[in-house]
Amino acid sequence: DGGITQSPKYLFRKEGQNVTLSCEQNLNHDAMYWYRQDPGQGLRLIYYSQIVNDFQKGDIAEGYSVSREKKESFPLTVTSAQKNPTAFYLCASSINGLGETQYFGPGTRLLVL
Amino acid sequence: QQQVKQSPQSLIVQKGGISIINCAYENTAFDYFPWYQQFPGKGPALLIAIRPDVSEKKEGRFTISFNKSAKQFSLHIMDSQPGDSATYFCAASMRAGGFKTIFGAGTRLFVKA
Repeated sequence: DGGITQSPKYLFRKEGQNVTLSCEQNLNHDAMYWYRQDPGQGLRLIYYSQIVNDFQKGDIAEGYSVSREKKESFPLTVTSAQKNPTAFYLCASSINGLGETQYFGPGTRLLVL
Repeated sequence: QQQVKQSPQSLIVQKGGISIINCAYENTAFDYFPWYQQFPGKGPALLIAIRPDVSEKKEGRFTISFNKSAKQFSLHIMDSQPGDSATYFCAASMRAGGFKTIFGAGTRLFVKA
C-alpha cells in the first residue's frame, strides 16, 4: 500500500525538551511538507522540501527544524524554542511542484507535560 | 493577494439537505483549486478539484462551482448525509512556478440525522 505514515500518533514533550516527529512516504513524491493545525483552525505551513537535501521555511518555522536526507523521509524536530508546541502536526507530500495535490499523513498530536 | 477566504466557519444542515461552502481568492495567477475533507483526528484528503477553464465539476454528490470573473468558487454537497460531517478546506495554488498552496481556514460541517 502506498501512502504517508507518521509516528508516533501521540507525543508528550517535557519542558525544555526537543522532540522529533517522523514522516515517511513510499509514493515516490519529490515534495514534502509539514503543517501545524490548532483546534478549530486551518493549516499553517512550517517547512517544505521540494527535493532531497533542500528545504525552505514556511509561515511559522520559528522553533522548528527539519532535514531531508532521503526522498522518503522528512522528520520534524520541535525544539525547546517553540514555546507553544501543543498542536496536531500533519505531514504531506506531492508529486513534484508546490501547487500539486497534496497527500496527507494521519497526523501526530503533540502535548506538553 | 495570497489569502483564500472561506465561509462559513461552521455549518449545520439537515440530512438530505444541500451544504454550500464558499471561497474567494485574490491572485488571478492561481490555476488549481482543490477541496480537502478532514475527519476528526485524521489528515485531510483530496475530495474534488477544479481548474479555471471549467465552470463546474461534479463527482457524485459533490460539485464545485467556479466563477472566474468574481474570483470565487464553492463546494455543494447534495443530499447531505451524517457521514459527510467533517471539516472542509478549500485551497488555491499555481501548478507551475513553485508557488505554495494556500488553504482556507476551514468549515466545520455537521449534518443532523
